[in-house]
Amino acid sequence: NAGVTQTPKFQVLKTGQSMTLQCAQDMNHEYMSWYRQDPGMGLRLIHYSVGAGITDQGEVPNGYNVSRSTTEDFPLRLLSAAPSQTSVYFCASSITGDRGYTFGSGTRLTVV
Amino acid sequence: KNQVEQSPQSLIILEGKNCTLQCNYTVSPFSNLRWYKQDTGRGPVSLTIMTFSENTKSNGRYTATLDADTKQSSLHITASQLSDSASYICVVPKGAGTYKYIFGTGTRLKVLA
Repeated sequence: NAGVTQTPKFQVLKTGQSMTLQCAQDMNHEYMSWYRQDPGMGLRLIHYSVGAGITDQGEVPNGYNVSRSTTEDFPLRLLSAAPSQTSVYFCASSITGDRGYTFGSGTRLTVV
Repeated sequence: KNQVEQSPQSLIILEGKNCTLQCNYTVSPFSNLRWYKQDTGRGPVSLTIMTFSENTKSNGRYTATLDADTKQSSLHITASQLSDSASYICVVPKGAGTYKYIFGTGTRLKVLA
């Protein structure tokens, strides 16, 4: 029972570089989302998806892209990394958006 | 403004003692409230969900209460263990039927032997 798997666990990027954070779930959940967690702040929603082929913006979407080609995968792309994107990123999934989430273990990203 | 505020920000207790964490929210309309436990370096894990009609719900040594009139919830931990050391996060949907949530900043609990 893998649940929600995020890779990589740690990443250091230089300003301007791009990368993709991977997220996969094996629970056949329709709803998936990406959050960032910064010190002294609650988790903030970046993007979410209610099913394959459907994505929408959260409260802090700038600088990030997502796609949902399959039910299982929901990658998060950083287009041109900035120091302000230094954070811990969590992917979460749910049977429906109003049920409890299953979170991945996070990706700690540092942009220098 | 929709907000979720938690107190205290941090708490240190001795193993075996009880403690209570508080969550105040201003979100309206209200549908449910969740408590999550987040161990250091891990993702949050759901402890309990409280709906509008529920006043108390227990999950082992964790007991959550909800007062929808005063918009307050508490999480009571009984007979604390070292493994209870974690952050506890209160989460409320922004409104009915929404997939967007407001996360509190959490209470960081440290249980000492």
